[in-house]
Amino acid sequence: AQRVTQPEKLLSVFKGAPVELKCNYSYSGSPELFWYVQYSRQRLQLLLRHISRESIKGFTADLNKGETSFHLKKPFAQEEDSAMYYCALNTDKLIFGTGTRLQVFP
Amino acid sequence: ETGVTQTPRHLVMGMTNKKSLKCEQHLGHNAMYWYKQSAKKPLELMFVYNFKEQTENNSVPSRFSPECPNSSHLFLHLHTLQPEDSALYLCASSQDVGGRTGELFFGEGSRLTVL
Repeated sequence: AQRVTQPEKLLSVFKGAPVELKCNYSYSGSPELFWYVQYSRQRLQLLLRHISRESIKGFTADLNKGETSFHLKKPFAQEEDSAMYYCALNTDKLIFGTGTRLQVFP
Repeated sequence: ETGVTQTPRHLVMGMTNKKSLKCEQHLGHNAMYWYKQSAKKPLELMFVYNFKEQTENNSVPSRFSPECPNSSHLFLHLHTLQPEDSALYLCASSQDVGGRTGELFFGEGSRLTVL
């Protein structure tokens, strides 16, 4: 079955602390994975895609096929990072996880 | 206006009403989607249209009826809904179905409340 699991509903950290939002997937094919973000009162938007191996707003995510994971990381969280984060798996359609709310306190 | 626009932003309806949600994209994309976002659930894909043709119906009840008159417009017609259908309905578009880049562009959503 194709599935995306985000085990944490809420992650709270203080400004400057490292952040890791967990994502695990289940897919028999070659996975294409993405992180989407939704800031308060804004629309859902793409943050980064694994194929690009890019760093966006200080966030990175590495695809680990052995662990079927695609965790999102940032070494030093900022208050403006507070948002809902969704991991997504692209098959012939995008399958989303339930999302993790990140709260960064000052 | 650019991007993906959804109207109305909020809708309250009774179970016997008939209403429609509208989505419009000005990005020149070929694929459009309806997603349902409920509390504590993943985003649920409802329908996919590619070049105006429906390519996916994710076992959605018939009380939800999509319509795609052209690649820029997508409607979701609602009739005899249930209170459990109350949710945020998101429209999205992408260059192609499945999105070769996996990038969907979302609207702000239509918040539906069924009384």
